[in-house]
Amino acid sequence: NAGVTQTPKFQVLKTGQSMTLQCAQDMNHNSMYWYRQDPGMGLRLIYYSASEGTTDKGEVPNGYNVSRLNKREFSLRLESAAPSQTSVYFCASSRDRGIETQYFGPGTRLLVL
Amino acid sequence: AQTVTQSQPEMSVQEAETVTLSCTYDTSESNYYLFWYKQPPSRQMILVIRQEAYKQQNATENRFSVNFQKAAKSFSLKISDSQLGDTAMYFCAFMKLSGGSNYKLTFGKGTLLTVNP
Repeated sequence: NAGVTQTPKFQVLKTGQSMTLQCAQDMNHNSMYWYRQDPGMGLRLIYYSASEGTTDKGEVPNGYNVSRLNKREFSLRLESAAPSQTSVYFCASSRDRGIETQYFGPGTRLLVL
Repeated sequence: AQTVTQSQPEMSVQEAETVTLSCTYDTSESNYYLFWYKQPPSRQMILVIRQEAYKQQNATENRFSVNFQKAAKSFSLKISDSQLGDTAMYFCAFMKLSGGSNYKLTFGKGTLLTVNP
């Protein structure tokens, strides 16, 4: 099993450009999450999907949209990138909401100029 | 709202020695989980250990163990027989189990641990 995979690993964008970060898991998990990690801070939740067909805002959702394409895939879209969105983005999944352990992908480093 | 505090931004230890990383948290919840995650230079977040708040017994996983003091809201991680591969950023995280937001992990800012040969 690959676990949680993310593409791309690194991306540079200009302010105002759009892009989609892809995430997929092969563990048959129901819940998936997007976090961002900024220097000197812990991870902060952007959006999550408790189950296929549902999505909800997390702590820092502004400037982002998500799509739970199917049970395996959960994408994060930046419609108009801003320098404040320069960060490392992590996708995670868990069997269900709640107490289940979250498994993280390797991260995507995004630089917005 | 919950907060998680890691008061040691950086620590170092000699190979084969023992080190303890501190974590305190603030919550009014009685039912929750606590986690330690490891983030090596590869940046992937790896679960090290988790503790259920209702369990009095401290969790252990091989060389990793926790000292969970519920009344003091303290959750420290002890690494025994430190290895070079333990060099990483370590994050303490909290998850409450009640209410509509029981999905959410709240992370501390992390402690960078360096194991020296």
